[in-house]
Amino acid sequence: DIQMTQSPTSLSASVGDRVTITCRASQSIITYLNWYQQKPGKAPKLLIYAASSLESGVPSRFSGSGSGTDFTLTISSLQPEDFATYYCQQSNTTPGTFGPGTKVDIK
Amino acid sequence: EEQLVESGGGLVQPGGSLRLSCAASGFTVSSNHMSWVRQAPGKGLEWVSVIYSDGSGGSAYYADSVKGRFTVSRDNSKNTLYLQMNSLRAEDTAVYYCARVRGGGIDACDMWGQGTMVTVSA
Repeated sequence: DIQMTQSPTSLSASVGDRVTITCRASQSIITYLNWYQQKPGKAPKLLIYAASSLESGVPSRFSGSGSGTDFTLTISSLQPEDFATYYCQQSNTTPGTFGPGTKVDIK
Repeated sequence: EEQLVESGGGLVQPGGSLRLSCAASGFTVSSNHMSWVRQAPGKGLEWVSVIYSDGSGGSAYYADSVKGRFTVSRDNSKNTLYLQMNSLRAEDTAVYYCARVRGGGIDACDMWGQGTMVTVSA
C-alpha cells in the first residue's frame, strides 16, 4: 500500500497569513492527489482534486500543486472559516490512503 | 438536491454484526463509484472500501483491516449503499462515512454523508 505523510502535523496562524501544507507519497502517484478540509463534528469536504484542480464552489485562495511524490496545499490568505484539519489522499491505487492530517488553528 | 444519509450505527458487542445504510438522493448510486471511510474518535480518516459503478464492473475492494469481515453492496431499487460489518472488534469503533467517488480516473470523494457512529464495546 502507498503511505502518505503530511507536514506539519499542526500549525498556528493568523487571519491573512499564507499557509502551506506538504503531503508526500511513498511512491509516485503521478497527480492522483486530493485535498480535504474537515471541521470538528463535520464530514470532510473536497477542496482540490487531481493535485491542482479546484473543486466547484471552493474559494480561489486554496490552491494545490505537485506531482510524483511531493504535493502542497496553499491557502493564500487565511480566513476565519479556514481553521480546520486538512487531509491529503492518494487515489492512484486502492486502498485510497489518507495522510494523517494537518490541524490549522488560530495563533 | 444531491445528498447522502447514513444510518444503522450503534453500540455492538465484540464479535457482533451491524449493517450500515447510506441512502442517496439526487443521483444514482449504481452509476457512481461509492466508498466507505471511517474515523476513530480523535483520529484521522481511514479508507475502508470502494464499490465501482455497474458500468465499471461493480467490483468491490477493501482495506486489509476489514477484508473478510466487511462487505459492501448496493440495492439499486432503493438507491442505497450498504456496509455489512461482521466479527466486529473494538478497533472498528469509529464514525463511518459513505462518499460518492468522482469517476473519470479522478477518484476523489466529492460528496459525503453526515456519518454514523459505530461503537464496539462489551
